[in-house]
Amino acid sequence: AQTVTQSQPEMSVQEAETVTLSCTYDTSENNYYLFWYKQPPSRQMILVIRQEAYKQQNATENRFSVNFQKAAKSFSLKISDSQLGDTAMYFCAFTRNNAGNMLTFGGGTRLMVKP
Amino acid sequence: GAGVSQTPSNKVTEKGKYVELRCDPISGHTALYWYRQSLGQGPEFLIYFQGTGAADDSGLPNDRFFAVRPEGSVSTLKIQRTERGDSAVYLCASSSDSSSGNTIYFGEGSWLTVV
Repeated sequence: AQTVTQSQPEMSVQEAETVTLSCTYDTSENNYYLFWYKQPPSRQMILVIRQEAYKQQNATENRFSVNFQKAAKSFSLKISDSQLGDTAMYFCAFTRNNAGNMLTFGGGTRLMVKP
Repeated sequence: GAGVSQTPSNKVTEKGKYVELRCDPISGHTALYWYRQSLGQGPEFLIYFQGTGAADDSGLPNDRFFAVRPEGSVSTLKIQRTERGDSAVYLCASSSDSSSGNTIYFGEGSWLTVV
């Protein structure tokens, strides 16, 4: 079974600053995918960024980037130039290859961006 | 429709009653997923459909929970003899198919409260 751990229940950052959210996972699989999802108060989970485990290059999406350390089973999310609209819950998620794309989520980190 | 639609948005029911939660996925998406999110936690997988059939129902907590997708589009999650512990947000999601790593699109959830 896979587990995903987010050790920071809450984080805060000043607007325009950079913040890093941590995620570790446990799996015996070699091929898998990792995701970061954002959940604003509307409850709708929105995909922020995706990383394929076989790719060594870290994924980036505009202000969002990841630091994927496969050996350490670590997958942190860096948000640059934080904006007020980034305030939300952030969930790290894992899916193994050829498993129906079912996601295992971490417990979440609540991020508050302060003006 | 443009996105995943879930009804009702909120439901309050008495302990012991029967509840149905509906999900209308993105048109053309063959994979449909149900997750349950308890307060302050990450979503937990319940069941997923590929087409009309339940491909994996290993996350259903007990036999009071059942889901159907008779025509391969709309899905209904059914909960019999509701208990207070069933109170949670039930999230539905869809994807073009169940290939690993495909983007999964979530609805805004149905918030169930059992009193």
